[in-house]
Amino acid sequence: DGGITQSPKYLFRKEGQNVTLSCEQNLNHDAMYWYRQDPGQGLRLIYYSQIVNDFQKGDIAEGYSVSREKKESFPLTVTSAQKNPTAFYLCAIPILQEYEQYFGPGTRLTVT
Amino acid sequence: QKEVEQNSGPLSVPEGAIASLNCTYSDRVSQSFFWYRQYSGKSPELIMSIYSNGDKEDGRFTAQLNKASQYVSLLIRDSQPSDSATYLCAVRSGGYQKVTFGTGTKLQVIP
Repeated sequence: DGGITQSPKYLFRKEGQNVTLSCEQNLNHDAMYWYRQDPGQGLRLIYYSQIVNDFQKGDIAEGYSVSREKKESFPLTVTSAQKNPTAFYLCAIPILQEYEQYFGPGTRLTVT
Repeated sequence: QKEVEQNSGPLSVPEGAIASLNCTYSDRVSQSFFWYRQYSGKSPELIMSIYSNGDKEDGRFTAQLNKASQYVSLLIRDSQPSDSATYLCAVRSGGYQKVTFGTGTKLQVIP
């Protein structure tokens, strides 16, 4: 957990609603990542940002949007276009030279 | 073909035994390899990194890398019930910041 906070820990939404997940870091890192984890599918990269005001799509960006207006914040919006939004969402920063990922505590989103 | 493959398990070992977790990867230019431990309901935590062929030891953990066979493994000696978790293998390809994760192997250490 350390210098990455994600809130809330659990989030419940109705289908058709957009929802924004928070990720904040106090480690002064330029890069931040968003992953999604589903049972049996491992972690999949949604978006990543290498610097403020810049971000790139990952492998499964459809139905998601992000912003990077501040170095310490990288919020993820799950839009109504995301077909299967129920998942465990993890924010991460690369802490070492080889981009070892350091994860926040995660947000478990349930959409019904 | 999956980029990073792991047996999903569960792998059951008795307490005190050696647990052996395996991972294969498809991208020959991969250069950095990681093992994460994930307890149920928690986020993954990094336990080992390895970059060159051979073994790397850290306490009860040993990571082994064979780039020719595109194979990386994690050995846990003197397994404890607290080692029961899902272990994720991850790989980074050279010159790119993206890290690809396997689906994980669930380890159960039986007291």
